[in-house]
Amino acid sequence: QVQLQESGPGLVKPSETLSLTCTVSGGSISTYYWTWIRQPPGKGLEWIGYIYFTGSTNYNPSLKSRVTISVDTSKNQFSLKLSSVTAADTAVYYCARGLNSYDHWGQGTLVTVSS
Amino acid sequence: EIVLTQSPAILSLSPGERATLSCRASQSVSSYLAWYQQKPGQAPRLLIYDASNRATGIPARFSGSGSGTDFTLTISSLEPEDFAVYFCQQGSNWPPTFGGGTKVEIK
Repeated sequence: QVQLQESGPGLVKPSETLSLTCTVSGGSISTYYWTWIRQPPGKGLEWIGYIYFTGSTNYNPSLKSRVTISVDTSKNQFSLKLSSVTAADTAVYYCARGLNSYDHWGQGTLVTVSS
Repeated sequence: EIVLTQSPAILSLSPGERATLSCRASQSVSSYLAWYQQKPGQAPRLLIYDASNRATGIPARFSGSGSGTDFTLTISSLEPEDFAVYFCQQGSNWPPTFGGGTKVEIK
């Protein structure tokens, strides 16, 4: 059974860079598309972007200038970097598997942007 | 960007009743529509993909229908564990987008 687990700081200062890693277990990262999705507290879901194991990426245009997603196949991990964060980036960040729909999700990690 | 509008926002029903949830897209998404269930403090769980296909392990009481711009998720007989928030999501046009959710609460 494929499992995903997010890790990274829970608190980031405004203007700094948010960095999260998703570790995939129970299966190889070297197939499928791998996605980041976020959910501000009490609100809906927002797609951030995806990466294919080859390194091909696609980002949400609303975040594209600040987002970088990378993959490390040797560690079965993929990562998210979001630069110049503000309070509006406070959310639960999920990693998930899939391209058009998402069949496996991490438990999510709350990242708060605050000084 | 495609906007997904879910209705109703809140659905108050009793266990054993039938639930019918709607998702309308601002333009056609063909059949690239998925449904998720989310409970408090948990990640969303995929229920339906490609409009009508149940995901692995999803009970038969969950069914999806529709194509183009109008979609429906039906829960034939609500079990206690089905009271949750349900989101639709389209994967037809970039970026993928989600609906605002329907909360199914106990009446």
